[in-house]
Amino acid sequence: DAKTTQPPSMDCAEGRAANLPCNHSTISGNEYVYWYRQIHSQGPQYIIHGLKNNETNEMASLIITEDRKSSTLILPHATLRDTAVYYCIVVQKAAGNKLTFGGGTRVLVKP
Amino acid sequence: KAGVTQTPRYLIKTRGQQVTLSCSPISGHRSVSWYQQTPGQGLQFLFEYFSETQRNKGNFPGRFSGRQFSNSRSEMNVSTLELGDSALYLCASSLVGRGTTNEKLFFGSGTQLSVL
Repeated sequence: DAKTTQPPSMDCAEGRAANLPCNHSTISGNEYVYWYRQIHSQGPQYIIHGLKNNETNEMASLIITEDRKSSTLILPHATLRDTAVYYCIVVQKAAGNKLTFGGGTRVLVKP
Repeated sequence: KAGVTQTPRYLIKTRGQQVTLSCSPISGHRSVSWYQQTPGQGLQFLFEYFSETQRNKGNFPGRFSGRQFSNSRSEMNVSTLELGDSALYLCASSLVGRGTTNEKLFFGSGTQLSVL
């Protein structure tokens, strides 16, 4: 699986948009970008995923650059409950559910 | 629909003992994966089961093993426990798991194992 690079931490003001970057410059054509988050003492929670088009769901938006070498997860209106570690993961089809988690970005939403 | 259920939530063992952890996937999910999470190594893949067969394995010693039953419930076993096995063990389930990357993994809350 392609490796990902994320900033180790970032702060965000409550009510503002949080933009979480992820670099995956070695991604190949059949690899998807997934985002999960982990709130303290809980298992990771799926947020969103995409291949090359931008995606949006009730939790977040995923913007993938045209060359697919990087992506941004957008939490449109961050709340205190969005404080968590966010993981950007690139998954190859053949890898199935063998996900390779990096260090993630620790996001602290402040009032 | 009930989520992924892991039991027990907390466990304390001593070195040399063995432990069995249990995972009940979401109803209808046939793939169960196990992950280990430690502060030093982060989240690491242990193995994945589908239709009672292990079809993917991470880089862990043979002391770590698992199995899956016909109802998709899974157990993992760690024998001859070491201090370094202290970790949060997470189970995740999905419908199929292999051959498609459109699947989401649903994780349980984990079992926190402490080895003294």
